[in-house]
This record gives sequence, structure tokens and C-alpha cells, in this order.
Amino acid sequence: DIVMTQSPDSLAVSLGERATINCKSGQSVLYTSSNKNYLAWYQQKAGQPPKLLIYWASTRESGVPDRFSGSGSGTDFTLTISSLQAEDVAVYYCQQYYTTPQTFGQGTKVEIK
Amino acid sequence: EVQLLESGGGLVQPGGSPRLSCATSGFTFSNFAMNWVRQAPGKGLEWVASITGIGRTTYYADSVKGRVTISRDNSNNTLHLQMNSLRPDDTAVYYCARSSGNNWRLFDYWGQGTLVTVSS
Repeated sequence: DIVMTQSPDSLAVSLGERATINCKSGQSVLYTSSNKNYLAWYQQKAGQPPKLLIYWASTRESGVPDRFSGSGSGTDFTLTISSLQAEDVAVYYCQQYYTTPQTFGQGTKVEIK
Repeated sequence: EVQLLESGGGLVQPGGSPRLSCATSGFTFSNFAMNWVRQAPGKGLEWVASITGIGRTTYYADSVKGRVTISRDNSNNTLHLQMNSLRPDDTAVYYCARSSGNNWRLFDYWGQGTLVTVSS
């Protein structure tokens, strides 16, 4: 199984400031023939199901605000919230969909400082 | 609008056999693979099982293999998860999730979940 490790486990950021979450996969999730990274990010607010934010490591899902961006390749990835809003308080998960079993990181809790 | 609504959760005795269901609407059900993903209380997300659009192929996490069966009824747009020999560590919210058209292992819509509590 591909182990996904996120850092930090939690972070507190002031409103309007940048939040950065890292995700490292135990092996590369880059499919070289397509040059695509099989890496997604989800947002889960309290009491709600997860919501898909980003896939192919950097493609925003329809309707996701452009303050959310994803980057990285191979084994190291980053989710950035460029200007944190109150509604962004949530737990964020990365997921590899390169192979079965598809696996998630342990989650990163984002709070307001 | 895509909608997924799970049912069938509740308090179950160890060794019990609940059947979870997920009623769907707002999309052509048979065109999409479907999945179950669970989340233990206060914990992260764990993929449980997947089934292809026509139901011919299924996939299971090792943690549940041999104890659960995923199935679908494309005439009623419903997904099922038959669970057997449940253990306390199966306690979780079970989410029904649709596979994205981009990749079957990617989940683009999720239901609200149904809580299964395994306890005597």
C-alpha cells in the first residue's frame, strides 16, 4: 500500500494569510506515460462529508475558489490556501489514486489564529 | 443535482450483518463506478470497496475482504454494502461516494454518511 503522510497535523493561520499543507507519498504517484500525478485533495468541514477540491495534483474541481491551489510531482505535494477565509476552517486530506488500495493522508486541521 | 443518501446504519452487535444502502439521483447511475469509504470516530478516511458501473468487477480493502460484499441495482439507482462478522473496529461513518469520470479511484460526490456502531 502507498502510505500518504501529511504535515503538519494542524495549523492555525490568521484570516487573509497563506496556509500551506504538505503531503508525501511513499512511492511516486506520477504516471510517466501521461505525465499526470494521481493525487487529490479533499476538504472536510465539521459534520460534513469530504468535498473534492483538487485532482491531478493541481486541477481545481468545478466551483472551487481560486485561492485553493495544488502543486508538486512524484512524491511531494502541497495544497495552498492563498488567503484564508473563515469558511476554510476544515480538515484537509490528500489521496493517491495511482493504485489500489487508494489511500488517504491522516488529515491536516486548519484553524483560524 | 447529484444526490447520494445512505441508510442502514445503527447499533449492531459484534458478529452482526447489517446491509447499507445508498440511494442516488441526478446522474446516470450505471455510467459510474461507485464506492464505500469509512471514517472511524475522530479518525481519517479509509476506502472500503468499489464496484464498476455494470457491477461486473469489485474491489475490496484487505481490512474487510471476505466480510463485506458491495453490489448495485442499476434499475433502482442504488448501491449496497452487505457487511458480515462485524467487529468493534468496524465502527465508523460509512460514506457512499461516486467515482469521478476522470478516474475510478477518485471520488467526486459523497453522501452524508451512515453511522455503524458495533458494540454489545
